[in-house]
Amino acid sequence: KQEVTQIPAALSVPEGENLVLNCSFTDSAIYNLQWFRQDPGKGLTSLLLIQSSQREQTSGRLNASLDKSSGRSTLYIAASQPGDSATYLCAVVKETSGSRLTFGEGTQLTVNP
Amino acid sequence: EAQVTQNPRYLITVTGKKLTVTCSQNMNHEYMSWYRQDPGLGLRQIYYSMNVEVTDKGDVPEGYKVSRKEKRNFPLILESPSPNQTSLYFCASSWAGTGSYGYTFGSGTRLTVV
Repeated sequence: KQEVTQIPAALSVPEGENLVLNCSFTDSAIYNLQWFRQDPGKGLTSLLLIQSSQREQTSGRLNASLDKSSGRSTLYIAASQPGDSATYLCAVVKETSGSRLTFGEGTQLTVNP
Repeated sequence: EAQVTQNPRYLITVTGKKLTVTCSQNMNHEYMSWYRQDPGLGLRQIYYSMNVEVTDKGDVPEGYKVSRKEKRNFPLILESPSPNQTSLYFCASSWAGTGSYGYTFGSGTRLTVV
């Protein structure tokens, strides 16, 4: 059974700091991995999608890497801002699950002014 | 604007009273699915649909029904809601259910069953 773990569960940093969020998954047979952001009381916003054949994806201050063989992904946020405060979720689509996303529990990020 | 729209955003109902949560997408996506989010359990898939008239169970389908009569709509039906169905529900869509494409999520429906 595919399990997705995110560490740390919560993180508090001062504004301007660069930070890394970690995601690990037990089954390396995945189609892709997607990072989402969830604001309190709101839906999930897709941040980055990495296909299994890719090593990384970048969007603005965000960079996500994927090491499929070791079952790990990292989300790097550069020059963090208070507006980055949210819960960050990673999710994988396992090759044998067809289309189901398996989510981690998330990392709750607080960026202090 | 490309989006997945869920209604209502908030709903409080009583045990046993049938309800429907609607989901609509304007991206011509073939694949749609429903998830519920609970503290400590994360997001779990309820049902999914690969295309019109094609639906299948996810991880936690008990107590729910779905239908896919049109490509854009995928309503979630609770025939006889119970308190353990109190949760935050999300609808999601994707171009195809092959796992190769990313997913777009709705804003969520917070359901309370008393």
